[in-house]
Amino acid sequence: AQTVTQSQPEMSVQEAETVTLSCTYDTSESDYYLFWYKQPPSRQMILVIRQEAYKQQNATENRFSVNFQKAAKSFSLKISDSQLGDAAMYFCAYRRGSGGSNYKLTFGKGTLLTVNP
Amino acid sequence: DAGITQSPRHKVTETGTPVTLRCHQTENHRYMYWYRQDPGHGLRLIHYSYGVKDTDKGEVSDGYSVSRSKTEDFLLTLESATSSQTSVYFCAISEREPGKNYGYTFGSGTRLTVV
Repeated sequence: AQTVTQSQPEMSVQEAETVTLSCTYDTSESDYYLFWYKQPPSRQMILVIRQEAYKQQNATENRFSVNFQKAAKSFSLKISDSQLGDAAMYFCAYRRGSGGSNYKLTFGKGTLLTVNP
Repeated sequence: DAGITQSPRHKVTETGTPVTLRCHQTENHRYMYWYRQDPGHGLRLIHYSYGVKDTDKGEVSDGYSVSRSKTEDFLLTLESATSSQTSVYFCAISEREPGKNYGYTFGSGTRLTVV
């Protein structure tokens, strides 16, 4: 079974600084997708960024980027120029690729990010 | 995202009573999921559905049942609620292929408190 591990229950960063959230995963599959979701106090789950395992290039979305190390099964999220609105719970998640009948997301336990003014 | 709605948004119920949570989608997606979110555990899969009347268990299915009689509706039932089922429940939908969302669309969640 796939597992996703987020080793940092809490992180903090100063506004305008850069922070990196860690995620490792375990899978025997070669075709899969990785995601970072943001959950602000509103409870809404917001997709931040995704990475296809077959792509070597690291995904980037504005101030958010990932460091995808497939061999090491690592998928960290870097937030540059942190803003107060980035404060939230962040979840790393894994989804298998095509094939079969189950495309469930497997989540890590989350990292609570605090942004200090 | 207006394509998926959960009801109710909040509910307080007594131990031993049955509770049904509803998830409704307008996206015609085949896959629907129920997760629960608890501090220190992230989101854990309760049950999922891959089509009308096609459902299967997730990792924390004990004490829960589901039904899907129509593509758009996925119901989660707690037959006899216990305090350990106090949680926030999320419904999610997905396409078979990642599609433009590259994953799931989540409902707004239901906060259930069992007293």
